[in-house]
Amino acid sequence: GAGVSQTPSNKVTEKGKYVELRCDPISGHTALYWYRQSLGQGPEFLIYFQGTGAADDSGLPNDRFFAVRPEGSVSTLKIQRTERGDSAVYLCASSLTGGSGGTGELFFGEGSRLTVL
Amino acid sequence: AQTVTQSQPEMSVQEAETVTLSCTYDTSESDYYLFWYKQPPSRQMILVIRQEAYKQQNATENRFSVNFQKAAKSFSLKISDSQLGDAAMYFCAYRHNKGNTPLVFGKGTRLSVIA
Repeated sequence: GAGVSQTPSNKVTEKGKYVELRCDPISGHTALYWYRQSLGQGPEFLIYFQGTGAADDSGLPNDRFFAVRPEGSVSTLKIQRTERGDSAVYLCASSLTGGSGGTGELFFGEGSRLTVL
Repeated sequence: AQTVTQSQPEMSVQEAETVTLSCTYDTSESDYYLFWYKQPPSRQMILVIRQEAYKQQNATENRFSVNFQKAAKSFSLKISDSQLGDAAMYFCAYRHNKGNTPLVFGKGTRLSVIA
């Protein structure tokens, strides 16, 4: 597509449930990033993919969070046993390259707002 | 670790006037990018302007310009002739230009434009 697409736009779930958030990056972009943005804060890095592999997952807060990108395009962020503190907007971004030599610019989707009751 | 600090949680400006948003950052690297992103209520981050650290000349994009002071690690955004559509959250961000590193964001400044 023309831009980064994220689904669902909004998700309300109950504490303890499992949630999947999907990101479809710009066609041809090899690098894909997930960020979490809590209310009134800047985005915080979660995980970064270069192709199919997670190049840096140092931002994942705990083992309830997991992300995959099996074919090097669409990515899914998975959250198990959701907690109220997981409520936030989850932003996905992509770029042509994650390494040096590119413009450095990330292109963002509109995010998925997760509310855990 | 790199950090980005935006010391102004909120700013306001009269329509058609000029406003400057502040940003400082901390890094031991010499090769990096700096960005200003705008986030309207739609939530989508929109790139406003980008600066490569190796360039001494300040970046300019129409009504938006930056004052990049590398030695002071300062990167402020100036918005001239402010318009109602400029009202949004503005985030300053840093990215190391080496290896696979993510963007590091500040906490943002909420800009209001008064008609």
